Amino acid sequence: GDSVTQMEGPVTLSEEAFLTINCTYTATGYPSLFWYVQYPGEGLQLLLKATKADDKGSNKGFEATYRKETTSFHLEKGSVQVSDSAVYFCALYGGATNKLIFGTGTLLAVQP
Amino acid sequence: ETGVTQTPRHLVMGMTNKKSLKCEQHLGHNAMYWYKQSAKKPLELMFVYSLEERVENNSVPSRFSPECPNSSHLFLHLHTLQPEDSALYLCASSRTGEQFFGPGTRLTVL
Repeated sequence: GDSVTQMEGPVTLSEEAFLTINCTYTATGYPSLFWYVQYPGEGLQLLLKATKADDKGSNKGFEATYRKETTSFHLEKGSVQVSDSAVYFCALYGGATNKLIFGTGTLLAVQP
Repeated sequence: ETGVTQTPRHLVMGMTNKKSLKCEQHLGHNAMYWYKQSAKKPLELMFVYSLEERVENNSVPSRFSPECPNSSHLFLHLHTLQPEDSALYLCASSRTGEQFFGPGTRLTVL
């Protein structure tokens, strides 16, 4: 069935470091892909999305490109801030079931 | 602010209590969801309502009882819960694919 695999955390970085959080997926058809972010004490917020191959989603300095050939949707940011500390979830919608399938989440901790 | 609100934000209850969680959305969405988020576990989808009809119930114990009186409101009625039910309960709504989440209710069962 459909699934999402993302790197285990925690990921600990210094402020202004480059961030990559890996996400790969397994799905039939052509799913849409999402990154959600959950700040401490809050619900999940949509960070960015891509609906077809080679699309690049971007928001708040974060980017992810839908790579069908490698079934990946890695999240990147060129210079992280302390305020980016949160849990990041990769997700897909579509495929075999019309459900939103989440990865297990990756905790990012950015130190000043 | 995602347009999805949840009340209460925090709830402490005993194992014999009865309480309800409320979720409200004014985004014009036609599907609503309850998720359970426990520490160190993946997000668990509990219930799905589409056009006010329950379309999914993922083997959730009967001590959790959802209700969707209209497309804007979703409730989760709780009774005789167990300590392992302590978690963050998230509500979400959608029209197609992309889901919008509320801030969650942090539930502690004593």
